Amino acid sequence: GIQVEQSPPDLILQEGANSTLRCNFSDSVNNLQWFHQNPWGQLINLFYIPSGTKQNGRLSATTVATERYSLLYISSSQTTDSGVYFCAVFEPGGGNKLTFGTGTQLKVEL
Amino acid sequence: NAGVTQTPKFQVLKTGQSMTLQCAQDMNHNSMYWYRQDPGMGLRLIYYSASEGTTDKGEVPNGYNVSRLNKREFSLRLESAAPSQTSVYFCASSRAYEQYFGPGTRLTVT
Repeated sequence: GIQVEQSPPDLILQEGANSTLRCNFSDSVNNLQWFHQNPWGQLINLFYIPSGTKQNGRLSATTVATERYSLLYISSSQTTDSGVYFCAVFEPGGGNKLTFGTGTQLKVEL
Repeated sequence: NAGVTQTPKFQVLKTGQSMTLQCAQDMNHNSMYWYRQDPGMGLRLIYYSASEGTTDKGEVPNGYNVSRLNKREFSLRLESAAPSQTSVYFCASSRAYEQYFGPGTRLTVT
């Protein structure tokens, strides 16, 4: 199956700082999602981005499928951005499951 | 539009008891999924249903059964709960490759 790795594993930011999270995947895919798991455990869809760039408020994401990576940008971070960020790819031939990355644990401090 | 809903939010069971976790979606999605999330293990697929009337095993199906009651509802049953089934359970539904998750059920088996 596809291997999905994320970096950095942990990140501490001061409120207002910007950051870039990276997701590398081992095989060609035509789909990729970014999720935020907040401190209460909810998994929130951020982006469905198989290729190209999308923006939603302070967050944006870029996927370069040919080079097998995706980036999530967080600008002007807020304490509510804290939690774990996962990227995930769907493997129709691999049991029809989402394969999640290893996650980036983000803490935003005042 | 509630998205994916799950009941209950929390449950404590004694070893050997049975229970059913309920999941419903109002997005008219064909596919639905049950995952469990354990510390250090990420999310693992238990069962999925590609369409109404069909169900298939995922990575960790032992000890569970599922029912796709109709297009909206997909339930997960533990017939005889074991402490190893202590976990957070997520239901999801998808349109093509993009998955949407419910808020989760935190289950403790003592």
